[in-house]
Amino acid sequence: SQTIHQWPATLVQPVGSPLSLECTVEGTSNPNLYWYRQAAGRGLQLLFYSVGIGQISSEVPQNLSASRPQDRQFILSSKKLLLSDSGFYLCAWSLGTGDGAFFGQGTRLTVV
Amino acid sequence: KNQVEQSPQSLIILEGKNCTLQCNYTVSPFSNLRWYKQDTGRGPVSLTIMTFSENTKSNGRYTATLDADTKQSSLHITASQLSDSASYICVVSLPYYGNNRLAFGKGNQVVVIP
Repeated sequence: SQTIHQWPATLVQPVGSPLSLECTVEGTSNPNLYWYRQAAGRGLQLLFYSVGIGQISSEVPQNLSASRPQDRQFILSSKKLLLSDSGFYLCAWSLGTGDGAFFGQGTRLTVV
Repeated sequence: KNQVEQSPQSLIILEGKNCTLQCNYTVSPFSNLRWYKQDTGRGPVSLTIMTFSENTKSNGRYTATLDADTKQSSLHITASQLSDSASYICVVSLPYYGNNRLAFGKGNQVVVIP
């Protein structure tokens, strides 16, 4: 069966510090991978998606970047965090058959 | 304009009562429509999935319906329990491959009180 791992679960970082969140998927090949952010009381906002290694599409301009160094690994990064980067970050995967997405457990990021 | 609109935004119900959540979408055609349950601080978990041609799908006390003509879906929770307190998200999968293929609603926040 397929599983998705996302870590860390919680993170408190000072403004201006770098960020690296990692997500890995097991049990499937060539998944579509997604990073979402969810602000308090808001819906899910798509940040990045990837259909293959090294292929990253950005949905909104921001202080973040994403990379996919391996087929089942997706990394969300920032060189210098802003207060506005605080939020709940979710990694997800799906197949190209249009069957919806499966989510990781999320990372609660607080920038102080 | 958001492609998926959910209502009500939030709802408080008594334990044991039923409730119905609404999802209106504009994307068409689509591959499938899913309802997710998201507990506070956790990732969303899929409850039901329906293809374009299906009208209803059940998962325990959760029943989802789909009306492709009016572009509406609903999630009905029967005999609510305290553990049903969560956000319920409607997600429509778009049929084309490789692009932004998921359209999310902002969720229905349900609070079940004893």
